[in-house]
Amino acid sequence: GAVVSQHPSWVICKSGTSVKIECRSLDFQATTMFWYRQFPKQSLMLMATSNEGSKATYEQGVEKDKFLINHASLTLSTLTVTSAHPEDSSFYICSARREGEAFFGQGTRLTVV
Amino acid sequence: AQSVTQPDIHITVSEGASLELRCNYSYGATPYLFWYVQSPGQGLQLLLKYFSGDTLVQGIKGFEAEFKRSQSSFNLRKPSVHWSDAAEYFCAPEDSNYQLIWGAGTKLIIKP
Repeated sequence: GAVVSQHPSWVICKSGTSVKIECRSLDFQATTMFWYRQFPKQSLMLMATSNEGSKATYEQGVEKDKFLINHASLTLSTLTVTSAHPEDSSFYICSARREGEAFFGQGTRLTVV
Repeated sequence: AQSVTQPDIHITVSEGASLELRCNYSYGATPYLFWYVQSPGQGLQLLLKYFSGDTLVQGIKGFEAEFKRSQSSFNLRKPSVHWSDAAEYFCAPEDSNYQLIWGAGTKLIIKP
């Protein structure tokens, strides 16, 4: 079946640094990928829709300069958390669709110290 | 606006007992409906989905769900739970833009 791979699965970084999270579709091409954020004991919050070859579409309230999304190829989207702060600590999940079904990465646990 | 409600934040069930997780949605038309499971440290996995047709859908791991239009519900059921079913379960209708609308999730706790 379709697999979406997300890397890294966890990362700890210092406040003020930037962190890049990769999302790859392993056996299919994804023109659109989605980035979610999940706070502890809460549901997923859609952050942005990543479109291959064009700018990402951000949800209301999500800072596009803070969360940089690049979808340079049909199998790779990256989310960069710039100048990370402790409040950016969260679980980030990517998703890609194939034939009407959404497939999810394993998630990335970001801890900013 | 479309919305989804999972009224139970957590449910505790004895191993071997039956399970029903509730999901109610608010949507103008009949949406596509999904149930996902999120196990600790793992990604989201699709359990089952409803697009149209038979209102009782079968999924993986012995789960099933029934779409009831009159009640705007899509409850998830399993006749006999196993300890490995302990996880967070999310109901997610899909809106007209193919975006999943996520419920708050229900945490399933299994008693030995």
